[in-house]
Amino acid sequence: LAKTTQPISMDSYEGQEVNITCSHNNIATNDYITWYQQFPSQGPRFIIQGYKTKVTNEVASLFIPADRKSSTLSLPRVSLSDTAVYYCLVGDGVTGGGNKLTFGTGTQLKVEL
Amino acid sequence: DTEVTQTPKHLVMGMTNKKSLKCEQHMGHRAMYWYKQKAKKPPELMFVYSYEKLSINESVPSRFSPECPNSSLLNLHLHALQPEDSALYLCASTDRGQGEQFFGPGTRLTVL
Repeated sequence: LAKTTQPISMDSYEGQEVNITCSHNNIATNDYITWYQQFPSQGPRFIIQGYKTKVTNEVASLFIPADRKSSTLSLPRVSLSDTAVYYCLVGDGVTGGGNKLTFGTGTQLKVEL
Repeated sequence: DTEVTQTPKHLVMGMTNKKSLKCEQHMGHRAMYWYKQKAKKPPELMFVYSYEKLSINESVPSRFSPECPNSSLLNLHLHALQPEDSALYLCASTDRGQGEQFFGPGTRLTVL
């Protein structure tokens, strides 16, 4: 079972880069790593997904080392509206073969002026 | 339409009631999911449907009964729930097993 752990909380200021790490020591070959953002009383929203190395999109970057036992979400130049809970999700999506889809413990990011 | 809708938004039920949660998507996604989320905790996977067939049941008690009538619709039938089942129930869909999941806003369930 892919137990995934994250720091409980992080504080930052507007305009800074924020890096949130997720530890997933038991990741399986079939498992992907996906990051979501969640605001209170809303469903999670997709940020980025990767399998290995580095992935970048218009809002974030995802760094995955060769052993894939951790991953780091990088948010460049955060703003107040990035205050939310961030989850990593690790596992095999539909039929198994990998690990059960498991969300990480979640990181509450607070961005201040 | 890139939206997953869930109804009702809020539901209060007694332990002897029978109720249903509904989830709908019109993105052509063939995998749909039910998650349960307690306050300040991550979502926990309950069920996965793939091509309208139940592919994963994460040892969920039988008082929760999922149903997928067609490729756009997912129901969760509730019967004889316990107060500890009170939570936010989230539905999600994706076009492939490992792909981005689109989540609905959830149904806030309270069991009295």
